[in-house]
Amino acid sequence: DQQVKQNSPSLSVQEGRISILNCDYTNSMFDYFLWYKKYPAEGPTFLISISSIKDKNEDGRFTVFLNKSAKHLSLHIVPSQPGDSAVYFCAASAVLMNYGGSQGNLIFGKGTKLSVKP
Amino acid sequence: NAGVTQTPKFRILKIGQSMTLQCAQDMNHNYMYWYRQDPGMGLKLIYYSVGAGITDKGEVPNGYNVSRSTTEDFPLRLELAAPSQTSVYFCASSYEGKSEQYFGPGTRLTVT
Repeated sequence: DQQVKQNSPSLSVQEGRISILNCDYTNSMFDYFLWYKKYPAEGPTFLISISSIKDKNEDGRFTVFLNKSAKHLSLHIVPSQPGDSAVYFCAASAVLMNYGGSQGNLIFGKGTKLSVKP
Repeated sequence: NAGVTQTPKFRILKIGQSMTLQCAQDMNHNYMYWYRQDPGMGLKLIYYSVGAGITDKGEVPNGYNVSRSTTEDFPLRLELAAPSQTSVYFCASSYEGKSEQYFGPGTRLTVT
């Protein structure tokens, strides 16, 4: 069963407009959520994160919103730029089985491919 | 800082062969991880390590082995390669107490 779901495989947006990428999760024990960006033939790069005790985190053009009651988070990119075209992965942090702590095992969604058209 | 480096970038193996995927990081991170990504899927954790000499299984460990003799290196060993192990393999590392993981560029492995 998928604990982290990104239901939109792709999204196309015009340059300058807002991009909204969505992510749903099922495990209420997740305590930290992250967004990663991935270009072809490269590893994922960390973009932005949010703790489960917050409902919003902003970093420049990127804002992540968390709705715990709905088990839903979203990434807003404003304004979108052609260089933002990539696959975006949502990930949730779960406790490593034997060592505890809030970090470690990241559970990834399948990703959403964002295309920003000039 | 080179960050997380992985070698090789690409490899084709025949069924039953063995190989080691290399991973190194120069950020002095205690925690290191191996993930695999199958086409159209998210990354899945194979093995992780919380420090030199300490390793443990993740979600999909079957067919793999790891060792961690130094803080910097975390090789992944494939024994008796099978077509189901065709995937892209990513190594990652993080500071203790931090959820943000830093990824290498990946190794694309094909088993035929």
